[in-house]
Amino acid sequence: RKEVEQDPGPFNVPEGATVAFNCTYSNSASQSFFWYRQDCRKEPKLLMSVYSSGNEDGRFTAQLNRASQYISLLIRDSKLSDSATYLCVVNLNTGGFKTIFGAGTRLFVKA
Amino acid sequence: EAGVTQSPTHLIKTRGQQATLRCSPISGHTSVYWYQQALGLGLQFLLWYDEGEERNRGNFPPRFSGRQFPNYSSELNVNALELEDSALYLCASSRSGRNYNEQFFGPGTRLTVL
Repeated sequence: RKEVEQDPGPFNVPEGATVAFNCTYSNSASQSFFWYRQDCRKEPKLLMSVYSSGNEDGRFTAQLNRASQYISLLIRDSKLSDSATYLCVVNLNTGGFKTIFGAGTRLFVKA
Repeated sequence: EAGVTQSPTHLIKTRGQQATLRCSPISGHTSVYWYQQALGLGLQFLLWYDEGEERNRGNFPPRFSGRQFPNYSSELNVNALELEDSALYLCASSRSGRNYNEQFFGPGTRLTVL
């Protein structure tokens, strides 16, 4: 089993749609959680950190459920510019700090 | 504020040669991380440096090595290059890694091994 697993993509949605991405992690020693976006052939860019209380940044909402070891990202009112790959990221400490990236979920927003 | 910078942008080597990639972190960041992203694959954690020391490494052979300098910049060395080392190598920096802070990425070095 992979340490961080994400929904397989791609997601194809029309502009204005709401889309949700899910991510599960296997190691309960996971300490911090993030969502990044990566455009084609570019570096990942931090989208938002994910907190247990949930957090929102404009059209984006992230949730963390430690009991189920589950992270989600909700995008409301999708824009064409949201088309990218979304990466779930987990930091954990198992005798040494390590960052694990999920394989990513590809999103295409169509006009 | 300047972001993470990496050099060179592209690097072409032949099998068996050595490659050196460089990274300068954001000012005030002491941790530097290296990742490999092969075409169509996810990011694989390579190395983490903090305060000049190697703190952890991923599942890569010893021919992948590096160091961090007193100014917190870092270099990644790959010896005895193999064809499958062709990938985008990304460097990220953060404030001290002990607090699991957000990482900010540079644009990457695209290494091609012929």
